[in-house]
Amino acid sequence: AQSVTQLDSQVPVFEEAPVELRCNYSSSVSVYLFWYVQYPNQGLQLLLKYLSGSTLVKSINGFEAEFNKSQTSFHLRKPSVHISDTAEYFCAVRERNTPLVFGKGTRLSVIA
Amino acid sequence: DSGVTQTPKHLITATGQRVTLRCSPRSGDLSVYWYQQSLDQGLQFLIQYYNGEERAKGNILERFSAQQFPDLHSELNLSSLELGDSALYFCASSFSGTGVTGELFFGEGSRLTVL
Repeated sequence: AQSVTQLDSQVPVFEEAPVELRCNYSSSVSVYLFWYVQYPNQGLQLLLKYLSGSTLVKSINGFEAEFNKSQTSFHLRKPSVHISDTAEYFCAVRERNTPLVFGKGTRLSVIA
Repeated sequence: DSGVTQTPKHLITATGQRVTLRCSPRSGDLSVYWYQQSLDQGLQFLIQYYNGEERAKGNILERFSAQQFPDLHSELNLSSLELGDSALYFCASSFSGTGVTGELFFGEGSRLTVL
């Protein structure tokens, strides 16, 4: 069965600095990969996803993630963070016809 | 607003009691998923229903049960509650059962506190 490891539970970063949130997955078959974001007191929202094709995927608010099959990773990056990016970020993996499995989340705190 | 509605938003009850959490999926979505979020376990998949039928089962305790009704809303029943059941329970929906695109639309959750 698939599993997801988010290596950092908390990541503090100064405003306008770059950030990388790390995600590794375990699966024996082809997978689909996702990043979800949870703002305080809200449900999760899809940030970006990799299904197939280009290994670099981007969101509308400047985040990007790269699927690396050999490293079984799907790290999330942003070159310059804003205060409004403060949230919890969840990496998730899905094998075909199975439910999404989430990592334990990384709390990103952007410091002014 | 995701379009997924969960009630109640907050619930406080005592050990041994039974509660029901309700979820209305986005209009047109046929699949409903239940997840439990706690500090130590993270987001755990409990169960999925598709068009009224159970589609997948995760780490759902025998004390918990769920169903999806003909109007596609779903209820999660938690009984013989224990302190450890205190958590945030999320409902999510998607159009298809296989959900290849993987996009789930989440409600804001129901926070259960067991005293």
